[in-house]
Amino acid sequence: QVQLQESGPGLVKPSETLSLTCTVSGVSISSYYWSWIRQPPGKGLEWIGYIYYTGNTNYDPSLKSRVTISVDTSKNQFSLKLTSVTTTDTAVYYCARIDSSGYYFLAHWGQGTLVTVSS
Amino acid sequence: EIVMTQSPATLSVSPGERATLSCRASQSVSSNLAWYQQKAGQAPRLLIYGASTRATGIPARFSGSGSGTEFTLTISSLQSEDFAVYYCQQYNNWPVTFGQGTRLESK
Repeated sequence: QVQLQESGPGLVKPSETLSLTCTVSGVSISSYYWSWIRQPPGKGLEWIGYIYYTGNTNYDPSLKSRVTISVDTSKNQFSLKLTSVTTTDTAVYYCARIDSSGYYFLAHWGQGTLVTVSS
Repeated sequence: EIVMTQSPATLSVSPGERATLSCRASQSVSSNLAWYQQKAGQAPRLLIYGASTRATGIPARFSGSGSGTEFTLTISSLQSEDFAVYYCQQYNNWPVTFGQGTRLESK
């Protein structure tokens, strides 16, 4: 079955770049859309953006200027970079797979990783 | 951006009873609406998509209804494992947006 696992630093300093990787197992990363979602502590869910295995991306407009999502099909991974972080970027970051229908709902999620922005 | 509003923020229901959660969209999302359940410390789990289709492995006590701007998630007979936070999500327009969640607690 599909499994996703986030990895990356749990602590990032303000103004620096947050970098996370999602490793996919159980299915090829090709032929699907993949996404990043985040959840600040005690708050709701925010969709950051998604990528198709071809490299086509789409980002939430509020984060677009700071976000880059990329894919490495040879490693079956996709990644998130968020620049110029502030304390408001502290959140649990989830990677997930968009449904095979192409509709943007999420049946497969990673366990999430907490990233804290602090000096 | 479509704003999703869930009500109530917190719902207290006794085990075995029915729970009804609401979600309203600021403009029509057709039937492109999903529901998720999230327990503390866990990732969300997809319950419903297409407003009324249960995801794989979801018990029949969970049902979704509605279209356009008004949606409902009903849990027909609450089990102990159902007490959690529930989110609706529209995927009719980009950016995809979530409601703020309804916390379902045991009465």
